[in-house]
Amino acid sequence: DTAVSQTPKYLVTQMGNDKSIKCEQNLGHDTMYWYKQDSKKFLKIMFSYNNKELIINETVPNRFSPKSPDKAHLNLHINSLELGDSAVYFCASSPGTGNQPQHFGDGTRLSIL
Amino acid sequence: GQQLNQSPQSMFIQEGEDVSMNCTSSSIFNTWLWYKQEPGEGPVLLIALYKAGELTSNGRLTAQFGITRKDSFLNISASIPSDVGIYFCAGYHISGGGADGLTFGKGTHLIIQP
Repeated sequence: DTAVSQTPKYLVTQMGNDKSIKCEQNLGHDTMYWYKQDSKKFLKIMFSYNNKELIINETVPNRFSPKSPDKAHLNLHINSLELGDSAVYFCASSPGTGNQPQHFGDGTRLSIL
Repeated sequence: GQQLNQSPQSMFIQEGEDVSMNCTSSSIFNTWLWYKQEPGEGPVLLIALYKAGELTSNGRLTAQFGITRKDSFLNISASIPSDVGIYFCAGYHISGGGADGLTFGKGTHLIIQP
């Protein structure tokens, strides 16, 4: 059983389009996250979501919006995609908001043409 | 935001050699984590450290939480081909916590030559 699963694994689309990435965790965790990994492999937090509380990294453009239908799911919607959005996006989860290890999905590779 | 300085950036070693990498920060972290990422996959947790001075092993891997709470190291003994990958240090800053997400180092690329 995959603990944190993301779909799709690959996403190729044109500039200006709107797209969504889905994430589900079956670990029973309360907190979920989205990270962006750039071409140099640097990982940076975008959002964390816990009990309907959203914490946003101030550097994330408002074209990015997380949506959580329930605590096992945190989807990422991106409007008006730009070339600089090309990256690998990772979903992660942890039991709570304490200093606990996070479990990562295998990533969604987004390529903007 | 907080930054973690991870070194070395890459390592080219022979199979069987020992490996050492470290992370430092100008500010205090209250949790240090070490992850490994292989191509096409997400980071996988190797070791978690919660107390200053803590030394923890996981098979051939050993990691320590620095006394100053501003650094951590990871050692791999007797490297084997499957150790190839990118190793990341990560931590929770003392003023933040889980809700702020993890701060990551820039990774150490480990390459093993046969």
